[in-house]
Amino acid sequence: DAGITQSPRHKVTETGTPVTLRCHQTENHRYMYWYRQDPGHGLRLIHYSYGVKDTDKGEVSDGYSVSRSKTEDFLLTLESATSSQTSVYFCAISESNLVGETQYFGPGTRLLVL
Amino acid sequence: AQKVTQAQTEISVVEKEDVTLDCVYETRDTTYYLFWYKQPPSGELVFLIRRNSFDEQNEISGRYSWNFQKSTSSFNFTITASQVVDSAVYFCALSGGSNYKLTFGKGTLLTVNP
Repeated sequence: DAGITQSPRHKVTETGTPVTLRCHQTENHRYMYWYRQDPGHGLRLIHYSYGVKDTDKGEVSDGYSVSRSKTEDFLLTLESATSSQTSVYFCAISESNLVGETQYFGPGTRLLVL
Repeated sequence: AQKVTQAQTEISVVEKEDVTLDCVYETRDTTYYLFWYKQPPSGELVFLIRRNSFDEQNEISGRYSWNFQKSTSSFNFTITASQVVDSAVYFCALSGGSNYKLTFGKGTLLTVNP
């Protein structure tokens, strides 16, 4: 257990509404990531963070923004949700050991945009 | 650009059969990491194994084994004597370069029938 929680776990919202998803970790990991999972696409990287206030775009960043004001929290915001953003969102941390890095994932957030 | 291909979209076997999940990758990085994750019907992503590009030793863990072949850019996963609890979606992933971002394959849905 890498100590990752996501909130909310489920959300239904309407098109055009802003939505913020939260990822919280308890083990002071430097790297954090947001992925989305869609049928036929696997998981795709949205944004990632390599430190407080240090973030960068991933493969599918359009329509999303992120913020990391504290080491433990990484927020993903959909400024104006669209139906194409209906997905399962996973947060991940990267954990280091002597032989390299491994990403561990949170439980996921199911988002439905009507 | 990195790419991971899991050509098998779905596999169905009968319990106790052996099954191999294929993974082929593309990368220009000289140092990289390969991963397998399991996603059971409950939806969480479970880390199974990481393999470093400089370590081509095959690995066995109980009924699971992994065959890494750099010459064919493949990292295949074999389950011996499959069980119903092995039913899940299995993802192969690749990480290279900085920031440890993962590129995922689209996943293989394994169904093990009693």
